Amino acid sequence: AQSVTQPDIHITVSEGASLELRCNYSYGATPYLFWYVQSPGQGLQLLLKYFSGDTLVQGIKGFEAEFKRSQSSFNLRKPSVHWSDAAEYFCAVGASGTYKYIFGTGTRLKVLA
Amino acid sequence: EAGVTQFPSHSVIEKGQTVTLRCDPISGHDNLYWYRRVMGKEIKFLLHFVKESKQDESGMPNNRFLAERTGGTYSTLKVQPAELEDSGVYFCASSQDYRGGYTFGSGTRLTVV
Repeated sequence: AQSVTQPDIHITVSEGASLELRCNYSYGATPYLFWYVQSPGQGLQLLLKYFSGDTLVQGIKGFEAEFKRSQSSFNLRKPSVHWSDAAEYFCAVGASGTYKYIFGTGTRLKVLA
Repeated sequence: EAGVTQFPSHSVIEKGQTVTLRCDPISGHDNLYWYRRVMGKEIKFLLHFVKESKQDESGMPNNRFLAERTGGTYSTLKVQPAELEDSGVYFCASSQDYRGGYTFGSGTRLTVV
């Protein structure tokens, strides 16, 4: 069955520290992968996406993610977290020819000053 | 460009009542989607419109949910009669195609009491 797993429900980091949010997927077809962020009171905003090519993708707000096919992972990283990064982050997977995305349960990030 | 607009932002209704959620997609986006997040769980697909036609409604929970998209523009999602388990955040999104990722609205938080 198709699924996306975000193993960390909550993560707390200090401002300025590095961040890695984990995402693992199970998908039969070649996946399209996305990371979205939801700040309080806001909608879901697309951070970055991977379709093909370079497995390291750059997104907005200084985020990047690396697709590792052998590990079925698409982890999100940021070298230095800012207090404004506190939000909930969602990993999602889709496939060629389908418009339906499967989302993970989200990881809520707290940033300590 | 204007984003995806949803209203109301919050709705509290009693069990058995009817509620209608509205979504205005980005102008020119033929694809419109409804997703739902029940508290603490993943964001789940409900249905997909292409213009005014339902392309995929496999995620609709039951026949108490009715979605329409008038003239390929805005969409409504009606829940009638509402049950307690319908509580959650309902997201609408739109896209030109599947490769670009969706643009989400800020969601409607529905509480059924």
